[in-house]
Amino acid sequence: GAVVSQHPSWVICKSGTSVKIECRSLDFQATTMFWYRQFPKQSLMLMATSNEGSKATYEQGVEKDKFLINHASLTLSTLTVTSAHPEDSSFYICSARKREGGTDTQYFGPGTRLTVL
Amino acid sequence: GENVEQHPSTLSVQEGDSAVIKCTYSDSASNYFPWYKQELGKGPQLIIDIRSNVGEKKDQRIAVTLNKTAKHFSLHITETQPEDSAVYFCAASINNQGGKLIFGQGTELSVKP
Repeated sequence: GAVVSQHPSWVICKSGTSVKIECRSLDFQATTMFWYRQFPKQSLMLMATSNEGSKATYEQGVEKDKFLINHASLTLSTLTVTSAHPEDSSFYICSARKREGGTDTQYFGPGTRLTVL
Repeated sequence: GENVEQHPSTLSVQEGDSAVIKCTYSDSASNYFPWYKQELGKGPQLIIDIRSNVGEKKDQRIAVTLNKTAKHFSLHITETQPEDSAVYFCAASINNQGGKLIFGQGTELSVKP
């Protein structure tokens, strides 16, 4: 199997506060995880690549100081949205890369709905 | 960089009919092409994938075809059922370059009973 979990599934916070989202690979180890955001009726937009034991790689236009990523173990990556504002409200989805026989497959978590008031 | 185009954006079929969704990609180095199904409010679920060393792969009612020369790949769903209704995303990646996926725009499939 290849199960990825996210916590929380939804969160509401006040403007200016920080929110942490966890992504866990439950039945496999993932040296690489990815963080996406998705607006209604749109495709997934890759925000950053999270590598275990090293700094995350951010996509162009994504503020690394605003979206802090920590990949502390082979099964856990966290995304912290700092000083959240209403425009940060979105659906955040992580994926974990499973390596088998020299090939990679990405499995996604169930997503976290963030609403910033 | 890689660019993936997906068509159609919406597709409505009668239960029992077939549905076909097509994607084209730009980077000839891409060698891995997964398809994901996303239901409302949930994360994408991998339903089938194909790698560049094969031209077709089938799993029960779902099949994917790949034409590397033309740089396009398609998802075929036969005998559609209402529970197939969802948004489907194709993606492409260069598997030995970190596995970063480039997604298509998505197709909203509606299967009418």
